[in-house]
Amino acid sequence: GAVVSQHPSWVICKSGTSVKIECRSLDFQATTMFWYRQFPKQSLMLMATSNEGSKATYEQGVEKDKFLINHASLTLSTLTVTSAHPEDSSFYICSGEEGGKNIQYFGAGTRLSVL
Amino acid sequence: QKEVEQDPGPLSVPEGAIVSLNCTYSNSAFQYFMWYRQYSRKGPELLMYTYSSGNKEDGRFTAQVDKSSKYISLFIRDSQPSDSATYLCAMTGSARQLTFGSGTQLTVLP
Repeated sequence: GAVVSQHPSWVICKSGTSVKIECRSLDFQATTMFWYRQFPKQSLMLMATSNEGSKATYEQGVEKDKFLINHASLTLSTLTVTSAHPEDSSFYICSGEEGGKNIQYFGAGTRLSVL
Repeated sequence: QKEVEQDPGPLSVPEGAIVSLNCTYSNSAFQYFMWYRQYSRKGPELLMYTYSSGNKEDGRFTAQVDKSSKYISLFIRDSQPSDSATYLCAMTGSARQLTFGSGTQLTVLP
């Protein structure tokens, strides 16, 4: 299957700082990338959908100014958590979809801990 | 009522058992059906992908889709301790966004 690389796998930061998470499709072109958040023992919650070269579409309740998404190329999307606070601590997962195939391939996830 | 219902378990079986995991859904527009396996603190891994109704087999895994009943299943034969994980069903229609089940936690006991 297609491979999505997500980095870093774990990050600890101080409250008020910003954290950037990278998501790369290694062997396919991801025309659409998705960002999810997952709390313990819960399913994935979609945060936003981004198409290459376009602004991301955020789900209701997700602050676009806090969670900045950039999808500048067909193989790279980034999520920046700005001015992180302890309540932003969570597991963030990205996925990429190869054009028109309706299949999402997921990264390994990033565990964010905000102190 | 959720769009996709999945029994959260937990489900424990002995090694070698046949495991049956199921999801029901309410949206008749769903056409693409997937099963993902998620180990603790990892991203979901695609196991099976099915378009519309029918069966699909891949090694020890068999996926079944019955659109008339709005019911999908994943069977795992000869289950192994390494199969212990959370299994998520997911589906979509013309929109790209996936709708997930809540996940079933499976433990295969050696």
